[in-house]
Amino acid sequence: QSVLTQPPSASGTPGQRVTISCSGSSSNMGKYTVNWYQHLPGAAPKPLIYNNDQRPSGVPDRFSGSKSGTSASLVISGLQSEDEGDYYCAAWDDSPESYVFGTGTKVTVL
Amino acid sequence: QLQVQQSGPGLVKPSETLSLTCIVSGGPIIRKSCSWGWIRQSPGKGLECIGNLFYSGNTYYTPSLRSRVTMSINTSNNHFSLTLTSVTAADSAIYYCARTDTDLTGDYVFNIWGQGTMVTVSS
Repeated sequence: QSVLTQPPSASGTPGQRVTISCSGSSSNMGKYTVNWYQHLPGAAPKPLIYNNDQRPSGVPDRFSGSKSGTSASLVISGLQSEDEGDYYCAAWDDSPESYVFGTGTKVTVL
Repeated sequence: QLQVQQSGPGLVKPSETLSLTCIVSGGPIIRKSCSWGWIRQSPGKGLECIGNLFYSGNTYYTPSLRSRVTMSINTSNNHFSLTLTSVTAADSAIYYCARTDTDLTGDYVFNIWGQGTMVTVSS
């Protein structure tokens, strides 16, 4: 059972803004940076955001991340059809020592 | 350019041992800034980090699997391996190996992934 909680689903029409939340605790997000991964059908997960708000090279700037205390958010500005898939937050956790993923959010483009 | 290729059986019998390998090419498997991990996704479920192996040799396994899992690196052939003993149907999943590199990102994030191996536990 994941210690990082996300809404199970989110949706929007093309061009809309979608926000995905991630809630943790003092032993994980309260202490460590947050990453976000995109997991599209049939592919390996791909890092979207690292260090709370940094984008790896090649990730479109419509993806942005933020963190405050023990909560984090991923925003997709200008939703596109190819964004349909699953999104996970992740962070290191001290108790117990392990890297943990969020429960995941399925994004649907209407 | 570092490349990662996974290998291992797609079918394992209950109570037996699952062994998967991540074959690394295009660079050294061991670097001070890097660590390796195995992540799995069971059908209909989310991602689960099975464990992490650091340059120091320290390993961290998720508590629910700690008694059954071992991760190791063989530098002579650039292999990163996972062993999971006494498997049950609950261990059926897609298994991924992945690497972090804090020199690249300044952060602990899995930035290189294997292609994934679908493992089914069934007699």
